[in-house]
Amino acid sequence: AQTVTQSQPEMSVQEAETVTLSCTYDTSESDYYLFWYKQPPSRQMILVIRQEAYKQQNATENRFSVNFQKAAKSFSLKISDSQLGDAAMYFCAYRSAGKLVFGKGTKLTVNP
Amino acid sequence: EPEVTQTPSHQVTQMGQEVILRCVPISNHLYFYWYRQILGQKVEFLVSFYNNEISEKSEIFDDQFSVERPDGSNFTLKIRSTKLEDSAMYFCASSVRTMNTEAFFGQGTRLTVV
Repeated sequence: AQTVTQSQPEMSVQEAETVTLSCTYDTSESDYYLFWYKQPPSRQMILVIRQEAYKQQNATENRFSVNFQKAAKSFSLKISDSQLGDAAMYFCAYRSAGKLVFGKGTKLTVNP
Repeated sequence: EPEVTQTPSHQVTQMGQEVILRCVPISNHLYFYWYRQILGQKVEFLVSFYNNEISEKSEIFDDQFSVERPDGSNFTLKIRSTKLEDSAMYFCASSVRTMNTEAFFGQGTRLTVV
């Protein structure tokens, strides 16, 4: 069964600084997708960024980028120029043929 | 921008009562999902639905749960006899295709069983 592990329950960053959230996953499949979702206090799940496993190039979305290491099964999220609005729970998720499998999440605090 | 909408936003029910959580997926989406998040825990998959039938379900999705797409637009989750441990945030999601498109989530329904 696929599993997703986020080893950092909490992280903090100063406003305007850069922070990296870690995620590792376990799968025997070769074709899959990885996602980072943001969950603010409102608890809505908002897609931040996605990565197709067959693509070698790391995905980038404005201030958000990933470091995808397929052999190591690692998928970290880098947030540059952190803003107060980035404060939230961040969930890493894996998807192969339907359902999403989520990690336990990392709570990100942004300090002014 | 199209979005997934869920009603109600918060539901309080007595233990043993039946509840129906409602979702309106994005109109051109074909795959529908329910996920659950117990407070402070990770989001867990419950069930996926395609072509008017369940395509996959988790071990959480036992006989007290059922899903339905009664009228071609709504997608409902019914919990037949609620238990205290069913208290959670329930998220509906939809996607165009299963794998290479992201799932769009609704804002969730907070279910409190007392």
